[in-house]
Amino acid sequence: DGGITQSPKYLFRKEGQNVTLSCEQNLNHDAMYWYRQDPGQGLRLIYYSQIVNDFQKGDIAEGYSVSREKKESFPLTVTSAQKNPTAFYLCASAGTGGAEQYFGPGTRLTVT
Amino acid sequence: KQEVTQIPAALSVPEGENLVLNCSFTDSAIYNLQWFRQDPGKGLTSLLLIQSSQREQTSGRLNASLDKSSGRSTLYIAASQPGDSATYLCAVTITQGGSEKLVFGKGTKLTVNP
Repeated sequence: DGGITQSPKYLFRKEGQNVTLSCEQNLNHDAMYWYRQDPGQGLRLIYYSQIVNDFQKGDIAEGYSVSREKKESFPLTVTSAQKNPTAFYLCASAGTGGAEQYFGPGTRLTVT
Repeated sequence: KQEVTQIPAALSVPEGENLVLNCSFTDSAIYNLQWFRQDPGKGLTSLLLIQSSQREQTSGRLNASLDKSSGRSTLYIAASQPGDSATYLCAVTITQGGSEKLVFGKGTKLTVNP
């Protein structure tokens, strides 16, 4: 089955802890993206990567970090510096040249 | 800065009705426009992708149009069904520094009543 997987579906952490969200794709896509979704706010871009070992900050990168060591994987770390980390996090991937973006099922992170 | 607006924010219709969802964007320099569906607590499912050189795309009961010069797109849903109830998101692809990014609207929440 081809697609994008995100794990876990639900994640709970205490304030002050770093947490890493997993995103894996087997679609052979070059580009991968991380978005955050809050009620009434739509999707906001956190980080994106067009090729392995390269990534760029999106609109709300502060308090987050990523790596792209493999084409298939693009993990997102939510650090303790992120002031409001509780949200729904979505990962996506796409080919190049204006190709369709495909989304994973999302991870709901709750920090208390 | 590109901004995408979707009107209305919510829509409730009886089953069987034809309906139109609207999307507008401020900068016509887009690569393409994509319509997505999102069910509660789930990821996004791509419905239709319209390249900037195209005027419309159709898939089953869905038809999406694109007027780049006026910065508008519509998603037409024919003969709506309760299973169409979901949030519909519009997004445009822009290029920035050699990279491609999506800019999303906030969505239209559709409820189709049996």
